[in-house]
Amino acid sequence: EVQLLESGGGLVQPGGSLGLSCAASGITFSSYAMSWVRQAPGKGLEWVSTISGPGDSTYYADSVKGRFTISRDNSKNTLYLQMNSLRAEDTAVYYCAEHSMTYYDSYFDYWGQGTLVTVSS
Amino acid sequence: DIVMTQSPDSLAVSLGERATINCKSSQSVLYSSNNKNYLAWYQQKPGQPPKLLIYWASTRESGVPDRFSGSGSGTDFTLTISSLQAEDVAVYYCQHYYFTPFTFGPGTKVDIK
Repeated sequence: EVQLLESGGGLVQPGGSLGLSCAASGITFSSYAMSWVRQAPGKGLEWVSTISGPGDSTYYADSVKGRFTISRDNSKNTLYLQMNSLRAEDTAVYYCAEHSMTYYDSYFDYWGQGTLVTVSS
Repeated sequence: DIVMTQSPDSLAVSLGERATINCKSSQSVLYSSNNKNYLAWYQQKPGQPPKLLIYWASTRESGVPDRFSGSGSGTDFTLTISSLQAEDVAVYYCQHYYFTPFTFGPGTKVDIK
């Protein structure tokens, strides 16, 4: 059974930093691209960032480019998102999602339960 | 960027009746070299993460009831629930995965009439 477990969410002040993790089990982690998708309270889904299975390619939404960094440690089956210069509009539940294939042009077939990030003073 | 739109915003359907949700992309998501539409549908119930229902526009994910079906090609797509059940109350999103940025439709909320 595939399980994705996010952690690291919490309350942070505007301009601050936060790091999220997503621990994966039940899959050959390095074989699949992984993404972060966020959902602001009461709103729809917004793709944030994707990393290829080997970690050699990364992609970002314009709204987070230059502020967020996606990475992965395939030896630990863990995906990361380092978020810097946080803004109020970054407040959301952040989901990690596994792609169906190694590279980015594939659908999300498994999702974690999400972790809430609140940016507020 | 590809803009995804959905209609209606919400709908209420009687139990056992058909529910139809439309999704339109601002440009084609059909990749000519493999003849596949890079379009997925997800179901999200309150307090839960999204769940994959349909991929490649019309392929049902394993374990998804066969009352859910997807159709369409190019820029126009449809998700049909043939006989609405109480457990189908949710928000449904379409999403393209043709290239980044991946974008989702705004969602369609389905309720029981």
